[in-house]
Amino acid sequence: DQQVKQNSPSLSVQEGRISILNCDYTNSMFDYFLWYKKYPAEGPTFLISISSIKDKNEDGRFTVFLNKSAKHLSLHIVPSQPGDSAVYFCAAIMDNQGGKLIFGQGTELSVKP
Amino acid sequence: GAGVSQSPSNKVTEKGKDVELRCDPISGHTALYWYRQSLGQGLEFLIYFQGNSAPDKSGLPSDRFSAERTGGSVSTLTIQRTQQEDSAVYLCASSFSLAKNIQYFGAGTRLSVL
Repeated sequence: DQQVKQNSPSLSVQEGRISILNCDYTNSMFDYFLWYKKYPAEGPTFLISISSIKDKNEDGRFTVFLNKSAKHLSLHIVPSQPGDSAVYFCAAIMDNQGGKLIFGQGTELSVKP
Repeated sequence: GAGVSQSPSNKVTEKGKDVELRCDPISGHTALYWYRQSLGQGLEFLIYFQGNSAPDKSGLPSDRFSAERTGGSVSTLTIQRTQQEDSAVYLCASSFSLAKNIQYFGAGTRLSVL
């Protein structure tokens, strides 16, 4: 039962353009959604989060959009840079479950110079 | 160190042997989590600790898996009688407290069961 899904295993974008990474979820009880970025041989690092009561959160080049009715969120990176090339994981959390993160399968982003 | 430290970074073992994986969280973080990432998969929750107690062990795949945390700090994940399907990267994370807090991950232990 995959509660958080990232249906695109990979995405390739030209430097300077927008990268859009998508994530779908099935459980309407999630309270927060997070994006983590992972480089090879390193642990995931937190990127940005959004509360389920918001529809947008922005931090520099990164913006996360949440559409609760569609159970869909997306991460926009503008402008994309070669250093953004990594695997991006979408994750969700319920307040009453001790902070346990439910992760999607990840999307590998490649930003071409 | 400033971050979450995991050891060993790589472990190769034979099927049927026991292994112990260690996690040293960020100082002052009361919550500690174990996840694993199998090849081509996302991260799968295993267990979390609040202090030394483990309120949620629901993610442990079988009774061959156990974990403990002593002194509210270091945690060990033990896999008994390893099987080939246990091969994965085991990741530890810590956070200041439960829920809504950013989890900081270690680099993981890559376990290979031959």
